[in-house]
Amino acid sequence: KAGVTQTPRYLIKTRGQQVTLSCSPISGHRSVSWYQQTPGQGLQFLFEYFSETQRNKGNFPGRFSGRQFSNSRSEMNVSTLELGDSALYLCASSLAVVSSGNTIYFGEGSWLTVV
Amino acid sequence: GNSVTQMEGPVTLSEEAFLTINCTYTATGYPSLFWYVQYPGEGLQLLLKATKADDKGSNKGFEATYRKETTSFHLEKGSVQVSDSAVYFCALSGYSGGGADGLTFGKGTHLIIQP
Repeated sequence: KAGVTQTPRYLIKTRGQQVTLSCSPISGHRSVSWYQQTPGQGLQFLFEYFSETQRNKGNFPGRFSGRQFSNSRSEMNVSTLELGDSALYLCASSLAVVSSGNTIYFGEGSWLTVV
Repeated sequence: GNSVTQMEGPVTLSEEAFLTINCTYTATGYPSLFWYVQYPGEGLQLLLKATKADDKGSNKGFEATYRKETTSFHLEKGSVQVSDSAVYFCALSGYSGGGADGLTFGKGTHLIIQP
């Protein structure tokens, strides 16, 4: 079956702009979570959505937001981009919420460069 | 909150050597534990998991045992290959009590296998 699909794979934005990243989970998966990966901070949890509701959020400013649609597809948005937002953004999906211990599958990520 | 500590490396070994990557964790309750692998330019792939104490996860010759008494989940492989060169992440999922219940990752261990 198809895995987690993220689009776009690569993008370059200018400081101050906003960006929207998209994630299609594995069919049947209702939980989608997002992570930021940088060389300095490693992998950090952004937020999790389950059944269209944000379940929890990591320690990121309000410029980072997301949503989930009725078909479980998810988008995340970063407004007023800063140079420090340059990172690999990873989406992951699972059948149930992350904290339940279900296996979590990752997409290949969206590489964002802010110039 | 939850945390994961692992050796960062790089760890350089010769082909057919024995591998151990240490991972210890701090968590409330009974988390599930995971090892993920990341190849250059790619997302995360689940390597193995364990959901309760004394469980042993195994895959592709890798194995790790959930040790609650030592709060550890060390990754081992008896004979590594050049193709095992990658970054390995130890992670846990569970209720943190603080609401940010996504996956918590270690910093990653860069493994280099020389022929």
